[in-house]
Amino acid sequence: GAVVSQHPSRVICKSGTSVKIECRSLDFQATTMFWYRQFPKKSLMLMATSNEGSKATYEQGVEKDKFLINHASLTLSTLTVTSAHPEDSSFYICSAYKGTGSYEQYFGPGTRLTVT
Amino acid sequence: DQQVKQNSPSLSVQEGRISILNCDYTNSMFDYFLWYKKYPAEGPTFLISISSIKDKNEDGRFTVFLNKSAKHLSLHIVPSQPGDSAVYFCAARNDMRFGAGTRLTVKP
Repeated sequence: GAVVSQHPSRVICKSGTSVKIECRSLDFQATTMFWYRQFPKKSLMLMATSNEGSKATYEQGVEKDKFLINHASLTLSTLTVTSAHPEDSSFYICSAYKGTGSYEQYFGPGTRLTVT
Repeated sequence: DQQVKQNSPSLSVQEGRISILNCDYTNSMFDYFLWYKKYPAEGPTFLISISSIKDKNEDGRFTVFLNKSAKHLSLHIVPSQPGDSAVYFCAARNDMRFGAGTRLTVKP
């Protein structure tokens, strides 16, 4: 199988602080990972595409200075929400490609961020 | 711009009946489509896929049909079970943006 983990699963932080979310592919190497955000009762919104060893590609409307993405290794990508505000509260989900001829994405379980 | 769309936000069917979820796309260059299933507060899981060289792919209770001329695909679930209740997303491998999804409710 292909397992993607996220840590933490839940985090509560105060306004103005920064929060880092980790996404790991546990049993495969992922050259490409994706970060999504889901608003309540809404679809998944693609935030950025993260490529190992290079800068992330952000979707239109996503502030790259606010949502810092680092893909330092083939099994780890991190999303840092900087200077968090209550409107950043959301469910963040990462996914990864196995890249072995299959096209399905393997999703992490998500991280619930609450900014107070 | 959303190139893969699901126009039905919700669908309710009776247990044992067929569920049909629809998806339309605009880019004729898309060559591979996937369906994902998502439960609340969880990440989506891959369900079934289809290559554009086929018009049907079947896996147990799940069948995906592709109509390239209409740029339309559909997911059939038969017989539907209460555990199938979830949000279903279709996606093209060339576009990582998901559509709005369709919330399926299967009533016992």
